Amino acid sequence: GNSVTQMEGPVTLSEEAFLTINCTYTATGYPSLFWYVQYPGEGLQLLLKATKADDKGSNKGFEATYRKETTSFHLEKGSVQVSDSAVYFCALSVSNQFYFGTGSSLTVIP
Amino acid sequence: DTEVTQTPKHLVMGMTNKKSLKCEQHMGHRAMYWYKQKAKKPPELMFVYSYEKLSINESVPSRFSPECPNSSLLNLHLHALQPEDSALYLCASGRDTSSYNEQFFGPGTRLTVL
Repeated sequence: GNSVTQMEGPVTLSEEAFLTINCTYTATGYPSLFWYVQYPGEGLQLLLKATKADDKGSNKGFEATYRKETTSFHLEKGSVQVSDSAVYFCALSVSNQFYFGTGSSLTVIP
Repeated sequence: DTEVTQTPKHLVMGMTNKKSLKCEQHMGHRAMYWYKQKAKKPPELMFVYSYEKLSINESVPSRFSPECPNSSLLNLHLHALQPEDSALYLCASGRDTSSYNEQFFGPGTRLTVL
């Protein structure tokens, strides 16, 4: 079947720290992969996407590379800011269906 | 115009009320979606419209009734809801339902059922 697994538990980092949020997937066929961000009280915003293996999506200092060999799409940022505090959802799209991970809550402290 | 709008932003209703949620996009997208999101959970797909036709209904109770009057509008009619239906209801749109296309989400309607 199709599914997305994200790292468990909230993440708390100090400002300017390096961020990694792990995401792995299982999929039949050739999925597209996405990272969405949700700020408190808001809808989801597309952060970045990749549609084929070895593609790198990037936006606002965030990056993720579509790794078919490890079925992963880890989100990274070199230096986080307080304004990056939000919930991050990894998602895949395949066979016209969207599948979301459980979400990873990030808190950045000054 | 690159956004999805939803009204109202907040809605409180009793279990005997009838209300509607509205969603609008002017990006020329032909796929539109309703999701339900509970606190600290990912969105759960409810309905998918493709070219104004209902293409997916994820076994949603009949007290939720979707409607797509035209390619820009999507409604969700609510009747005889239960307190457990309280949640954030998100609308999304996409160019079409192709797997390559991202979905664009609205800000949501925060629904409370008393």
